Formats: sequence, C-alpha cells, structure tokens
Amino acid sequence: QVQLVESGGDLVKPGGSLRLSCAASRFTFSDYYVTWIRQAPGKGLEWVSYISSSGSTIYYADSVKGRFTISRDNAKNSLYLQMNSLRAEDTAMYYCARVLLYFGDPGYFDLWGRGTLVTVSS
Amino acid sequence: DIQMTQSPSSLSASVGDRVTITCRASQGISNYLAWYQQKPGKVPKLLIFAASTLQSGVPSRFSGTGSGTDFTLTISSLQPEDVATYYCQKCNSAPLTFGGGTKVEIK
Repeated sequence: QVQLVESGGDLVKPGGSLRLSCAASRFTFSDYYVTWIRQAPGKGLEWVSYISSSGSTIYYADSVKGRFTISRDNAKNSLYLQMNSLRAEDTAMYYCARVLLYFGDPGYFDLWGRGTLVTVSS
Repeated sequence: DIQMTQSPSSLSASVGDRVTITCRASQGISNYLAWYQQKPGKVPKLLIFAASTLQSGVPSRFSGTGSGTDFTLTISSLQPEDVATYYCQKCNSAPLTFGGGTKVEIK
C-alpha cells in the first residue's frame, strides 16, 4: 500500500551523528514535497525540515539549522536526514511525511510514516 | 516567525458532548491551517486542511472554522474513539509550526 517507512534511529552520544532514511512506496515520490517532523517523549509535534519535489527548495527549523541536512534521491524513492552535532534535546521520534501543496505552497501532511526513534545520551 | 497557540491544553468531556478547540496564530495566515489527530501511541492523522475542508474518510462530526488568526476545531458529538491529542499547524511558509496540542479525554 501507499506508505512511508523510516529507518536509522539509534542511541547516539552527544556530539555524534546519525543519518535517517525514509523509503516511499506505491506513489510517485518525485511528485511530492516531503518533510521531517519530530516528537520528543511525551511532548508535542515539532516540524524539522522540508524539501521540494526536485530538491531545489529546502527549509529548516531554527532549532536544527546548521546541524541537520535534508536530502532526497528520487531514483531510490528515498528521503534522508543527516543529523550532526546531536544534543540531548534532539531525542525524539522522527517522522517523515508527504506534503500536499496548497495554492503552490507547502501545505498539509497527508501521509506519515510510523517513525524512527533517536536517543541522544551519554 | 508566526506562533500557534492552542487552548485549552486539555479537556475532559462526556460522550455526546460538543467539544471545541481553539487555535490562534500570532499573525494572519488566511486559511492556511490544518488539524491533526494523534491517538495514544499512534501516528498523527490529518483531519482538516484549508481550515475547514474535511480530509477523506474523516467522520462528519469533525468540523473546522476560521480565517486570519482565529480557528476552531469542533467535535459535534464526542465519541470514545475521539480520545486523542489534537494539533493545529500553519502552512504555506516555513516554519510550518504546530500548536502545542489539546488532549481530549472522556469524563
């Protein structure tokens, strides 16, 4: 079925790095913007980053700017999040989601993966 | 950046009650607003987009109104399966900020 599946979450020490992946299936991945959203344990949702369908437009939340890098490989139907200089406050479930455009602008997240857990701790 | 503030942060209501959740944007965002439902231990689900358009498959007891800075999500008759945390989210320009969430429980 149409789905997104995240992977790559792990326990990592502060200052360390991790690369998350999100594999898309059963839809034309290259037609869609995609995004990363995270949720710290017991907390609310926090938007992290999005990337346009071609990869030419990218935005980040201030909390991760300069440390995280979003990218995609449309030939592999995959989205990535390279996470460097990790901090304890980056501990969260990381979800990838498909973005529906609204009047040409990034809009709503209609398809979510089940998430991958990142824990930053010494 | 535009901030999204939800109220209340939690509520308890009886089955069959009408429930209203408010989301306020710190600046006008037209109707660039979505609502999500996250049941305990589950992945968030899109309920409403463009402030008032119901996503396919969402029960008609859910409705959304508002434009500019003030938005509401209403559950016309609360059901046990509606126990969840509800989030609003602004769209159209980064950052695509979520509200803090409203936890809905059954009394």
